[in-house]
Amino acid sequence: DTGVSQDPRHKITKRGQNVTFRCDPISEHNRLYWYRQTLGQGPEFLTYFQNEAQLEKSRLLSDRFSAERPKGSFSTLEIQRTEQGDSAMYLCASSLIAQETQYFGPGTRLLVL
Amino acid sequence: KQEVTQIPAALSVPEGENLVLNCSFTDSAIYNLQWFRQDPGKGLTSLLLIQSSQREQTSGRLNASLDKSSGRSTLYIAASQPGDSATYLCAVRNNNAGNMLTFGGGTRLMVKP
Repeated sequence: DTGVSQDPRHKITKRGQNVTFRCDPISEHNRLYWYRQTLGQGPEFLTYFQNEAQLEKSRLLSDRFSAERPKGSFSTLEIQRTEQGDSAMYLCASSLIAQETQYFGPGTRLLVL
Repeated sequence: KQEVTQIPAALSVPEGENLVLNCSFTDSAIYNLQWFRQDPGKGLTSLLLIQSSQREQTSGRLNASLDKSSGRSTLYIAASQPGDSATYLCAVRNNNAGNMLTFGGGTRLMVKP
């Protein structure tokens, strides 16, 4: 198993454009999490899936953000009409229901110009 | 709302020193606490997880303690090495917050050869 993977690793976009990130969790991990981390800060929780169901959403997840996990495997996070304040590292993590530890991917670094 | 604080924000020590990183949290109704390591531009690696009923966990040169009633945890690193240089993050999972982790801002550690 190669761990959690995220694609792309880096994304530069212009304000107002839409971007989509992908996360592939560790196989058979039924929980998947998205976090956002700005420079010098700890990660902030965005949303969490158990299988294909989105069970929790942070108030940070404005209506410009949408996340899906259609078949309970990979997940996508889309940001519409990006703003400069969206510039951050977007981290994905996965875990098993019976396991407390969340395993993190390398992140996608977004820069909105 | 849970708030997690880590002190100091940055620390520089010579190789071989023992050191302590501090984490405090405002709401003692936690389910567990985790310490993570993050290398520059990378994802997070879980180091230790302490359940709310436990007082400490050890892994190699690392020892984490938890005092839930006072809202404090410490990460002790023995005989520090240059390879320990990284940012160390603590995160708590609250009893009433599902699987969401609340992170501190991290301590950036540099171990000088």
